[in-house]
Amino acid sequence: QVQLKESGPGLVQPSETLSLTCTVSGFSLTSYSVSWVRQPSGKGPEWMGRMWYDGDTAYNSALKSRLSISRDTSKNQVFLKMNSLQTDDTGTYYCTRDWEGLWDYWGQGVMVTVSS
Amino acid sequence: DIQMTQSPPSLSASLGDKVTITCQASQNINKYIAWYQQKPGKAPRLLIRYTSTLESGTPSRFSGSGSGRDYSFSISNVESEDIASYYCLQYDNLWTFGGGTKLELK
Repeated sequence: QVQLKESGPGLVQPSETLSLTCTVSGFSLTSYSVSWVRQPSGKGPEWMGRMWYDGDTAYNSALKSRLSISRDTSKNQVFLKMNSLQTDDTGTYYCTRDWEGLWDYWGQGVMVTVSS
Repeated sequence: DIQMTQSPPSLSASLGDKVTITCQASQNINKYIAWYQQKPGKAPRLLIRYTSTLESGTPSRFSGSGSGRDYSFSISNVESEDIASYYCLQYDNLWTFGGGTKLELK
């Protein structure tokens, strides 16, 4: 069955870099695109960026200067790196499987706290 | 970038009521709007795509309509399981969520 699972540090220091991994199963990264969506506590979700099935990427313009998404298809993993973290980057980070432009499967999410 | 203005931010309803949420896009989004439901501690769940197409498993009391820049989402006969937050999402040009509507019981 289709599964996505996010992993990464729960606590990041301000100004440092966040590195998250999305490990997928039940589908191929060369057939489906994967997006990252985050949600600050108590606020609405925000699309961060997308790894297309063909290896291309797209980013939210508000995050583009700090964000990088890559993948390792042999390991069924998609990676997110975002630098210069601040306290308002605190929240839950999800990876999602894209289908027909929307997201049909979501990971459980990983809570990231930016704090010293 | 396309902006989505969702209203109201919160809504109080009694069981059996009809409620309506609206979203206005900053430009024509060609009916590429979806509606998500989110309950605390859970990932958002897709209810409606392309303005009015119900996803498999979405009860028929949910509906959507609109065109151009203006869209609406309604729940007729609100049930207790509908208490959640709702978000619109445009996917015509990348993806932008609305600010959300929290539905509470009166």
